Amino acid sequence: ELKVEQNPLFLSMQEGKNYTIYCNYSTTSDRLYWYRQDPGKSLESLFVLLSNGAVKQEGRLMASLDTKARLSTLHITAAVHDLSATYFCAVGVRYGGSQGNLIFGKGTKLSVKP
Amino acid sequence: DSGVTQTPKHLITATGQRVTLRCSPRSGDLSVYWYQQSLDQGLQFLIQYYNGEERAKGNILERFSAQQFPDLHSELNLSSLELGDSALYFCASSVYLGPPLYTGELFFGEGSRLTVL
Repeated sequence: ELKVEQNPLFLSMQEGKNYTIYCNYSTTSDRLYWYRQDPGKSLESLFVLLSNGAVKQEGRLMASLDTKARLSTLHITAAVHDLSATYFCAVGVRYGGSQGNLIFGKGTKLSVKP
Repeated sequence: DSGVTQTPKHLITATGQRVTLRCSPRSGDLSVYWYQQSLDQGLQFLIQYYNGEERAKGNILERFSAQQFPDLHSELNLSSLELGDSALYFCASSVYLGPPLYTGELFFGEGSRLTVL
């Protein structure tokens, strides 16, 4: 059974600081996703990582994937209050080579304080 | 706006009752997924349909059932409701484009918040 673990689960940061969220998963997969969720809202796709060594950046967020280590990271640079949200990583499951569902980690609740 | 539409947005009902949640996927998406989000269980995959057929099952209770209709909209039926079924239920959709365009990215609706009293 595929398990996805994120850490930390809670992160309180000061504005301007850097930090990294880690996502480990238990079985082989070449599809890793990062989503953002604001309280009571939907999940918004941030990054899609589809190969070993993939790195994507959007603003102050950068995501990377190491499929051999079964590890993805979400790095936050110079945090600002607007980044406060819950961040989920998710790993793709295949069924007989075709598209399947995503298994989500428990999420990292990020709070950026002035 | 992801293009995935869910109704109702909020639903309050009593234990033992039955409710139906509805989802319209993005135009052109053939796959529909249902997820349950609660504080203690996190985001749990329930079930996936592809072009009207069940593709995968997750942690879906026997009291719950779903289907996808010929127009590709989907319904999640929850029966004999218990207090613990209170949660936010998300529908997501995706399109299979085939390699190399295939990403497997899911697009989520706004969710249906179910409260069981």
